Formats: sequence, C-alpha cells, structure tokens
Amino acid sequence: AQSVTQPDIHITVSEGASLELRCNYSYGATPYLFWYVQSPGQGLQLLLKYFSGDTLVQGIKGFEAEFKRSQSSFNLRKPSVHWSDAAEYFCAVGALYSSASKIIFGSGTRLSIRP
Amino acid sequence: GAVVSQHPSRVICKSGTSVKIECRSLDFQATTMFWYRQFPKQSLMLMATSNEGSKATYEQGVEKDKFLINHASLTLSTLTVTSAHPEDSSFYICSAKRPSQGDTEAFFGQGTRLTVV
Repeated sequence: AQSVTQPDIHITVSEGASLELRCNYSYGATPYLFWYVQSPGQGLQLLLKYFSGDTLVQGIKGFEAEFKRSQSSFNLRKPSVHWSDAAEYFCAVGALYSSASKIIFGSGTRLSIRP
Repeated sequence: GAVVSQHPSRVICKSGTSVKIECRSLDFQATTMFWYRQFPKQSLMLMATSNEGSKATYEQGVEKDKFLINHASLTLSTLTVTSAHPEDSSFYICSAKRPSQGDTEAFFGQGTRLTVV
C-alpha cells in the first residue's frame, strides 16, 4: 500500500536560513511525487512535482526537491526562507499514468519562521 | 492551467440538516474526482473516489450513507453531508485529475469549511 511519511511535525528556522523538509514514501509502482503548501484556512498550492527525468526538480517560490529512489525520499529544500514561507507543507504520492488513482498525503510539516 | 472550483467556500448549518458541496472542473473533463477531509492542524484524509456514472468508492471507515457522493457529469461531483452533526465540522477539499497521458497532476479546489452548530 502506498504511504507517505513526514517525520517532522513542526520546524522553526530563522529568516534567511536554509530549509529542508523530509519526506519518505512507500509505493509499489512508479510514483508521482508532489509537494503542496497550505496557508492557514486556505486550499492547497502545488509547489512542485516529479515523475521522471532529472531527479532535482525546481518549483515555485524558490523551492526545489530531490528524488532519491534508493532512499525512497523526496525532500524539499529552499536555500533561504522568507517570513512568507510560514505555512503547512504536505508531501504526497500518487500513481503515474493513472487518472483514477488516488493521491495520498503525508501528515504535514508546519514551518515557522523566526524573525 | 486546469482549474477546479469548489462551492461554497464556507457554510454554517444547523445540526440535523444536510449540506451539499459542489466540485467542478472548469476547463477539462474529469472522469474521476476525489474528496478529502481535513481536521484542524491535521493532514488531508481521502474520503472517497468519485466516479462519473457509477458509484463512488469509499475509504475504510467512511460512512457512505453519511457522505453521499454524486458524479453525474464529467465536470461536476457533489458531496452531501447528511444529517450533519458538530463532529462533521471540518475542511473538505476536492480534487480532479486531467486525464491526459503523462500528466496526472491533481488539481485541488479551494476547499469548503463546514461548521455545524
């Protein structure tokens, strides 16, 4: 069965510092991986996605993620965070090439920014 | 890009009444849509998969008689919370995938915050 683990519930970093949010997945087929961000009371915004090609993917807002098949990981990174990055971040996995397959979310990591 | 619209964005209802939430794919046809529920400070939990023209597939533990799903057209799925109770208060989000090969990104609606009083 597919699953996503985000081991960090809450992370606090200083503004301007680098960030890495961890994500590990379990999936029996070729995974389609996502990172979403959610501000309080809002819907989801897609930061980036990976399904093939270069394992380092660039997303919006200066975020990037690296797919490491050997570690079943898809960690999200940003070299320098801004106060506006404070939000909840969700890693998700779905099946590639299947419009009917569901997307499973990790438990989320809440990011706080220290001034 | 593709857009999924959800309506209403907020709804308050009395305990015992029913509430309908709509999810529309605005610029593509979606044979499959997904309904998620999110409790405060928690992740999104998949409730059910809505299939156009057939019965929805519910996840384990989700009451199908409580959460009625209808996917009557290729652009509209509805979730009806029947006989709502305060514990049904939550954030409900739908998503749909554009069925083109090689691109199965899910597009999410903006969510509906349901408060049952």
